[in-house]
Amino acid sequence: NAGVTQTPKFQVLKTGQSMTLQCAQDMNHEYMSWYRQDPGMGLRLIHYSVGAGITDQGEVPNGYNVSRSTTEDFPLRLLSAAPSQTSVYFCASVDKEGYTFGSGTRLTVV
Amino acid sequence: DQQVKQNSPSLSVQEGRISILNCDYTNSMFDYFLWYKKYPAEGPTFLISISSIKDKNEDGRFTVFLNKSAKHLSLHIVPSQPGDSAVYFCAASGVSDDKIIFGKGTRLHILP
Repeated sequence: NAGVTQTPKFQVLKTGQSMTLQCAQDMNHEYMSWYRQDPGMGLRLIHYSVGAGITDQGEVPNGYNVSRSTTEDFPLRLLSAAPSQTSVYFCASVDKEGYTFGSGTRLTVV
Repeated sequence: DQQVKQNSPSLSVQEGRISILNCDYTNSMFDYFLWYKKYPAEGPTFLISISSIKDKNEDGRFTVFLNKSAKHLSLHIVPSQPGDSAVYFCAASGVSDDKIIFGKGTRLHILP
């Protein structure tokens, strides 16, 4: 099925560890983005990309890196995990018909 | 398979008139529904919600209606203002999982 695939669905990290959240879409969308969802704060934009090789910062980029080497993949890297990064992360890709969200990754940093 | 569907990618409404954004869902286990509003280059922000035990929730110019038998909810904005131009997401969550499932969004244009 066409859509946005996020992996893993759950992850527990220790403070200081690094990891990559994967996001892939097979709809040939140019625009992709990463959000974090925290209680009472809606979805906050971390980074976004308007096409392969192009990325830009959103509202809360600190502590996260992204790259967009292909149209399909938009991984989000946590360089040194902190408890403040405990959250649910959503990846989304966009075309003229709207947004397609992944199923989310629940990350806990202890 | 989309569990939350917003079938209108865009909607244009005259300033001062009522905007009605629609949303359908398929999962009968959903018991909490939310609407989010999104401006360009920002994340969606929470707008209004409704629990499945209610059929209406009102907050100022915004009212959400829930029809559980039809698995349908709608957001009414009255009167519509220029600042309401944005993308609106319908979202839902269930008892067993607080993870939110989003619709594809509807882009609302308020015309002067």
